[in-house]
Amino acid sequence: GAGVSQTPSNKVTEKGKYVELRCDPISGHTALYWYRQSLGQGPEFLIYFQGTGAADDSGLPNDRFFAVRPEGSVSTLKIQRTERGDSAVYLCASSASGGRGETQYFGPGTRLLVL
Amino acid sequence: AQTVTQSQPEMSVQEAETVTLSCTYDTSESDYYLFWYKQPPSRQMILVIRQEAYKQQNATENRFSVNFQKAAKSFSLKISDSQLGDAAMYFCAYRSAFTDKIIFGKGTRLHILP
Repeated sequence: GAGVSQTPSNKVTEKGKYVELRCDPISGHTALYWYRQSLGQGPEFLIYFQGTGAADDSGLPNDRFFAVRPEGSVSTLKIQRTERGDSAVYLCASSASGGRGETQYFGPGTRLLVL
Repeated sequence: AQTVTQSQPEMSVQEAETVTLSCTYDTSESDYYLFWYKQPPSRQMILVIRQEAYKQQNATENRFSVNFQKAAKSFSLKISDSQLGDAAMYFCAYRSAFTDKIIFGKGTRLHILP
């Protein structure tokens, strides 16, 4: 079946603008994760959804970042009043049920550039 | 807090040779999972191999194997018979058995020399 997909592949925006990044997980996967990968770094955890609810949002850097998953499948990461420091690759991953030690399958990411 | 350290920013190996990527981690927990992920230029993170901390036997996946030293908190990846397609960033990663997030190291860029 299809893997995790993310759109857009690349996004260029201006400082202060609002952006939305979309993640479409593997069909049937109830667990969904967002990570942010800055240049030269490994991915850093942002938020974890189990079904429709955010089970762990401890990685969101501030209140400009928000994510939703209203129907338990597609998720949208929303960034308000973007700053140049938000430039990074945003990775989405999903796993079957979020169980202990389950493999997380990653999408190709969205590269966000804030000018 | 748990941390993952990869001390080799870049490595090179001749095609068909063997290379070992190093990783150390810090945790006070006894139940956790360790992973090596590969990230080619396409950006997609691909799971190479995983190790459960409670298992003493080192994991192997075809040409990929690990040397897991729990007491030393070391988790190295050995790639045998290196191929051009192995060229990528490799990330060592940790996941507690009690949380959902994966903690990644900074990565090692592996070059394969023809």
